[in-house]
Amino acid sequence: EPEVTQTPSHQVTQMGQEVILRCVPISNHLYFYWYRQILGQKVEFLVSFYNNEISEKSEIFDDQFSVERPDGSNFTLKIRSTKLEDSAMYFCASSIQGATGELFFGEGSRLTVL
Amino acid sequence: GIQVEQSPPDLILQEGANSTLRCNFSDSVNNLQWFHQNPWGQLINLFYIPSGTKQNGRLSATTVATERYSLLYISSSQTTDSGVYFCAVVRNAGNMLTFGGGTRLMVKP
Repeated sequence: EPEVTQTPSHQVTQMGQEVILRCVPISNHLYFYWYRQILGQKVEFLVSFYNNEISEKSEIFDDQFSVERPDGSNFTLKIRSTKLEDSAMYFCASSIQGATGELFFGEGSRLTVL
Repeated sequence: GIQVEQSPPDLILQEGANSTLRCNFSDSVNNLQWFHQNPWGQLINLFYIPSGTKQNGRLSATTVATERYSLLYISSSQTTDSGVYFCAVVRNAGNMLTFGGGTRLMVKP
């Protein structure tokens, strides 16, 4: 069964360092998303991406965040200068028909900022 | 934005018991999904159910969109059912899934 894959599964970084989280969405999906979950809290929307541009972003997704689809398969989330409060599980998701259709989530990338 | 409330927040069951989890939402929706977050943090799709009733093995779900709630039924619970169950919705004309706070389920042997 097709699935969304994410790398790395866990990354530890120093405050102020740049981090890139990678995702390979399901191959025929056109809509891509990043969500995050701070430990013990609810899952929060960060950004949605369609047709090579951001379609919507939350207030969490400030200037230190960026997303990119560098080739036909990868979808990346970059955090330019990490802060302690960026420590969280980051989930990538994809769907065929946008948010009205079923979203499928990857296994998550746990980011720990020291 | 839309509000999503789940109840109960915590639930402890003995193995073999049945349970009902509830999700209330504050606005009309065109997508509703139930997820199980396992102890490793993975979000497992359970149901895509913007309306109606679906069943998958011991799990079933019902969404009454006109009354703005959904129910997840777990029958004959097993220890592997433990984890957090999330409801998530997309409001009409919206572009993002909004998650509820989850129900943390512990099934004891």
